[in-house]
Amino acid sequence: KNQVEQSPQSLIILEGKNCTLQCNYTVSPFSNLRWYKQDTGRGPVSLTIMTFSENTKSNGRYTATLDADTKQSSLHITASQLSDSASYICVVSFNTGGFKTIFGAGTRLFVKA
Amino acid sequence: DTEVTQTPKHLVMGMTNKKSLKCEQHMGHRAMYWYKQKAKKPPELMFVYSYEKLSINESVPSRFSPECPNSSLLNLHLHALQPEDSALYLCASSQVNPRILGKNEQFFGPGTRLTVL
Repeated sequence: KNQVEQSPQSLIILEGKNCTLQCNYTVSPFSNLRWYKQDTGRGPVSLTIMTFSENTKSNGRYTATLDADTKQSSLHITASQLSDSASYICVVSFNTGGFKTIFGAGTRLFVKA
Repeated sequence: DTEVTQTPKHLVMGMTNKKSLKCEQHMGHRAMYWYKQKAKKPPELMFVYSYEKLSINESVPSRFSPECPNSSLLNLHLHALQPEDSALYLCASSQVNPRILGKNEQFFGPGTRLTVL
């Protein structure tokens, strides 16, 4: 069964600290994995997109990793800011004759001063 | 222009009303999507248009009627909705080229917050 699971469900950290969010998937055949940031009541904004051959991709303070063998991805946030408070959604696409996409349930991150 | 726009931002309607949600993009994307998102849940795919033709309908009730008048516009017509249809409705667009992996990154609009009374 094609699934995307994210952990933790929610996370509270202090401003300035680093954190890592996890995404495990059981999708085949894998096409790409994306991380989105979604502020409450707003549309998701793309942070990174990685294909099978990419292990790491950075976007400012956000660094995503992908291990296609273990089917795991992580999103590392460095020097967190209050504005990082949002939901982070892992989205995996696979190609079965046409592209299909599965959204993870997301991790809700709260950054406190 | 790398933006997907949606109107209105907020919509309140009664169960007997007819209303429409609009979505527009000028990135040359030929795939457009409607999603429904309830609070604290991930977006759920409703419809996909590819080259202005409906390619995926995820068993959405007929009270939701999508329309793609041209390659830049996507509408969602609403009629006889139920209170449980209240949600954030997101539009997204992407390129369409299944032969190029990783090129179907979806760009989302800000959403329309719909409340059905």
